[in-house]
Amino acid sequence: DAKTTQPTSMDCAEGRAANLPCNHSTISGNEYVYWYRQIHSQGPQYIIHGLKNNETNEMASLIITEDRKSSTLILPHATLRDTAVYYCIVRVATGGFKTIFGAGTRLFVKA
Amino acid sequence: DVKVTQSSRYLVKRTGEKVFLECVQDMDHENMFWYRQDPGLGLRLIYFSYDVKMKEKGDIPEGYSVSREKKERFSLILESASTNQTSMYLCASTTEGDRVGNTIYFGEGSWLTVV
Repeated sequence: DAKTTQPTSMDCAEGRAANLPCNHSTISGNEYVYWYRQIHSQGPQYIIHGLKNNETNEMASLIITEDRKSSTLILPHATLRDTAVYYCIVRVATGGFKTIFGAGTRLFVKA
Repeated sequence: DVKVTQSSRYLVKRTGEKVFLECVQDMDHENMFWYRQDPGLGLRLIYFSYDVKMKEKGDIPEGYSVSREKKERFSLILESASTNQTSMYLCASTTEGDRVGNTIYFGEGSWLTVV
């Protein structure tokens, strides 16, 4: 599985959009981009995933560049409860046993 | 709602003790994983299993073993606990097969302190 690069930390004002970038320049054609988040003392929680098209669900939107080498997770209206560590990972849909989680981005949402 | 349950949230054990961490999933998933998480190191894979009685080493298997006797249950065993195994341990599961995006589901974590 390919590795990803994310900023160590980011700040966002409450009510504003939080845009979290991720670079995955070595992504393979059959690898999906996944986003998870981890609130302190809890297990990571799935947010969204995509292959090459932009995706949206009730939690967030995922924008993947045309060359698939980077992506952005968008939380449209950040709240204080969105303060967490956000992980961007890439993995195949099947048999991706050794999924690699990096250090993620620590997002601070401030009032 | 999908669920991965880790039997113990907080444990304190003595050096040299044998420690069992239990994990159960109710989604009929084929694949199960054990990670440990330490500050600044992210999630590191200890062992994974892709079927009953099957196991594969992850990145940091030393000092650990696992057991998968039933599909829904994956146990992590510390044969002789040491202080450097103080950490948060996360269990996860995911399905196999040709499905789009087999999401990984995590348990709540088990905080182990070895004294």
